[in-house]
Amino acid sequence: SQQGEEDPQALSIQEGENATMNCSYKTSINNLQWYRQNSGRGLVHLILIRSNEREKHSGRLRVTLDTSKKSSSLLITASRAADTASYFCATAWNYGGSQGNLIFGKGTKLSVKP
Amino acid sequence: EPEVTQTPSHQVTQMGQEVILRCVPISNHLYFYWYRQILGQKVEFLVSFYNNEISEKSEIFDDQFSVERPDGSNFTLKIRSTKLEDSAMYFCASSALDPPDEQYFGPGTRLTVT
Repeated sequence: SQQGEEDPQALSIQEGENATMNCSYKTSINNLQWYRQNSGRGLVHLILIRSNEREKHSGRLRVTLDTSKKSSSLLITASRAADTASYFCATAWNYGGSQGNLIFGKGTKLSVKP
Repeated sequence: EPEVTQTPSHQVTQMGQEVILRCVPISNHLYFYWYRQILGQKVEFLVSFYNNEISEKSEIFDDQFSVERPDGSNFTLKIRSTKLEDSAMYFCASSALDPPDEQYFGPGTRLTVT
C-alpha cells in the first residue's frame, strides 16, 4: 500500500536553526502535501508539490520531491518557537475514479526551543 | 477566511450507541472527506464523497459507518453502534478543485467511547 513515512520521528532544535524533515513513499503519486498539526488540533495545509515538480517554496518553507527515489523533504528555515508542531507528509494519487484521498505518514514531531 | 467547522468538539458516548459527527465544509467546495486519527497514530482515510455519493472508502469504513449530505451545507458521519476502538479524533476535510488537490481540514471531533 502507498504510505508516507517521515523521518526523523522527533527533532529538537534551537530557534533560528533550520529544520529538515524527510518523507518516503512507496507507489506512484499525483502530488505530495505537507501538513502541520499542533498538539490536539486540526491539520493545517502547508504546501503541495506535484509529481512533475522538483522544488517549491512558500515563505520559510522549501519542499523538494525526488520521484525516482520516492522521497520528499521539507525544510523550515530560521525556525521559531511557534513552529513547534507535528509535521506530516501525505500522498495523493489520481487514477481511475480516485478522488484524491490522502495517505498520511506517522509524522515528525518538531520542537523549537527559544 | 473560509474554514471547515466541526461539531461537537468532543463527544463522549457509551459502547453500542449511535453517534453523528457534523461538519460544515467550505461553501464552494465539491469534494468532502472524513479521516480519523487514533491517539498517537497516523491520520487514516475513511471515506470521500462527491456529487452526493461515496467516491471511495477504506477498509475501516464498514457497515457501521455512513455519510450524508442532508442539505447544501452539512456533511455528517454516522457510526451506528460504537465500539471502544472507534475512540479517535475524526477530521472532516473539503477540497475545491477537480481533480481534488489541497484539502482543508476542520479542527476535529474527539470521540470517546466508554
